Amino acid sequence: QKEVEQDPGPLSVPEGAIVSLNCTYSNSAFQYFMWYRQYSRKGPELLMYTYSSGNKEDGRFTAQVDKSSKYISLFIRDSQPSDSATYLCAMRTSYDKVIFGPGTSLSVIP
Amino acid sequence: DTGVSQNPRHKITKRGQNVTFRCDPISEHNRLYWYRQTLGQGPEFLTYFQNEAQLEKSRLLSDRFSAERPKGSFSTLEIQRTEQGDSAMYLCASSSGQGIEQYFGPGTRLTVT
Repeated sequence: QKEVEQDPGPLSVPEGAIVSLNCTYSNSAFQYFMWYRQYSRKGPELLMYTYSSGNKEDGRFTAQVDKSSKYISLFIRDSQPSDSATYLCAMRTSYDKVIFGPGTSLSVIP
Repeated sequence: DTGVSQNPRHKITKRGQNVTFRCDPISEHNRLYWYRQTLGQGPEFLTYFQNEAQLEKSRLLSDRFSAERPKGSFSTLEIQRTEQGDSAMYLCASSSGQGIEQYFGPGTRLTVT
């Protein structure tokens, strides 16, 4: 079992839809949870991160962490064609290296 | 500040040749990371530096791989005797503080023929 699992998709939604992206993990010591967006042939770009459990909102993006279920989510409201990209979840303990999920490919259709 | 830069952006080499990549981090970032990413996978950690000290290396980093960060500024990643399995995107990231917010460069795509 990999430390971080993520449905690779592809996920295709119409413009304006609410998108839900999810990851599960096995290491209960993870404390920091990050979401990156990666456009084709570009480096990943950090969208947001949360520490421990709870929710965090930034514009159209909301990150949720449920440590009891070892499950994290990213919600995108009012999705736009420019949101079409691969979304990577990532996590780490308080001192260790970052572990990335394999990414979910998202297409937002105009 | 123009972000993290990497050179070259693309490298095609024949098996058995040596290659070297360069990463220039965001100025004043004390931490610098190297990752490898293959198609359909997330970045995999290779190594990281705090200032000029190399503090951790992944088991993925065989003895054919070496990284340096002289004077705690730019970094180089060298692969000796390249193999076809080395074909991947090599990403560099930098951060300040404890390394939670890492800023990635555009990557160097290596193709070994």
